[in-house]
Order: sequence, then C-alpha cells, then structure tokens
Amino acid sequence: NAGVTQTPKFQVLKTGQSMTLQCAQDMNHEYMSWYRQDPGMGLRLIHYSVGAGITDQGEVPNGYNVSRSTTEDFPLRLLSAAPSQTSVYFCASSQGTGGGFRGYTFGSGTRLTVV
Amino acid sequence: AQTVTQSQPEMSVQEAETVTLSCTYDTSENNYYLFWYKQPPSRQMILVIRQEAYKQQNATENRFSVNFQKAAKSFSLKISDSQLGDTAMYFCALNTGNQFYFGTGTSLTVIP
Repeated sequence: NAGVTQTPKFQVLKTGQSMTLQCAQDMNHEYMSWYRQDPGMGLRLIHYSVGAGITDQGEVPNGYNVSRSTTEDFPLRLLSAAPSQTSVYFCASSQGTGGGFRGYTFGSGTRLTVV
Repeated sequence: AQTVTQSQPEMSVQEAETVTLSCTYDTSENNYYLFWYKQPPSRQMILVIRQEAYKQQNATENRFSVNFQKAAKSFSLKISDSQLGDTAMYFCALNTGNQFYFGTGTSLTVIP
C-alpha cells in the first residue's frame, strides 16, 4: 500500500541545471497532477494528466515539462532551474474526477532549492 | 474562473475547545466538490473531509464537520474537542472537472 511515491524528498540545484522529479502511484489511478506550494500562495497546479499519453497545462506550467508514458508514472522535468522555482512540489493522483470523486492522494512532497 | 479564499491566515484554540475555519469560493459550475485538507509539520497532505455540492446535508467525520452554504458559497470547517495533533495548516479546496483550486491556507495552533 505505497500510494503515491515521490523522489527525491530534498534537492538543491544550481541555476541552469536540469532535473526530474519522480512520481509513481500503485493504485491504478487515471488522474495525476503536479502542484507547487509557496508560502502564502497555497498550492498551484503545474501540469496534470487524465491518462497515459495525455497531459495538459495548469496554472503555472512555464519552465516545466511532463510526460505520461504509463499509468503509474508522471515525472516532472525542470528544464533550466531558476531561483523562482524554489518551492515544495507535490504529486497527487485520483481515480478520476466527476461523480463520486473522493479527492486526491498526495505524495510526501519534494523540497527543491535553486541557488 | 474558480477561486477559493481563506481569510484567516492564523488561528489558535485551546485544547478541548471548538474552532471554526472559514472558506469562501466562487465558481459558475453546478457540479463540484469541496474539500478540507490538513498539512501537519510533516508536510503530508491529509484529506479531512469532503462535500458534494448537490448534497444539502453537511458532511461530518468524527470531530470534524462542515457548514456548507451553497447560495453564499461558503464552506467552513468546525473542529470540536481540539487536540494537540490538530495543529497544522488547513487548506480549503474546490474541484471542478479536471482541476483543483486551493485556498492559501489557515495555520491552526492548538494550545495545551
């Protein structure tokens, strides 16, 4: 019963470096998403996916890429890290949206610092 | 556009007392869901309670209950018999279609 697994839990990057935040879920959830959490701003949606091969942009997609080649995995790529991307990142999944929707299952988060 | 507003950045309550956290939202959708999530210092996001907009009955989960006023677009969370473990950040969230919208959170401290 792993749920949603995010790696790494902490990361420090230099400006301009690239990296991938990993997210995997073992609940056969169709829907997966990435959020960033900044002080005083709540959680903001970066990208989401409603199924394998389908992704879409959220509120703050610039500087990030995603892909969904399998149902289980939804990695988030930072192309060229900037200090403005210093944040806590959450991956979340759900069976779907609409009727009977029971909310997200969240990963434990990744604290990213860009220096 | 969908928005969620939590107007109380910080609150405190004495242990065993009752506290109410406020949330207002705006949406033009008829079908939506509302949630309260708890984020303790561990950073993990934990679902506290959910409400389906088409249900008039207020949701209840043990010590947690909501006051859902659909016409006023208000969704407050009441915590009864507050416990030290309730100390956390609380987020109100609105789900419509494929997206969630979160408020900016209320930091709740339970005082022994």
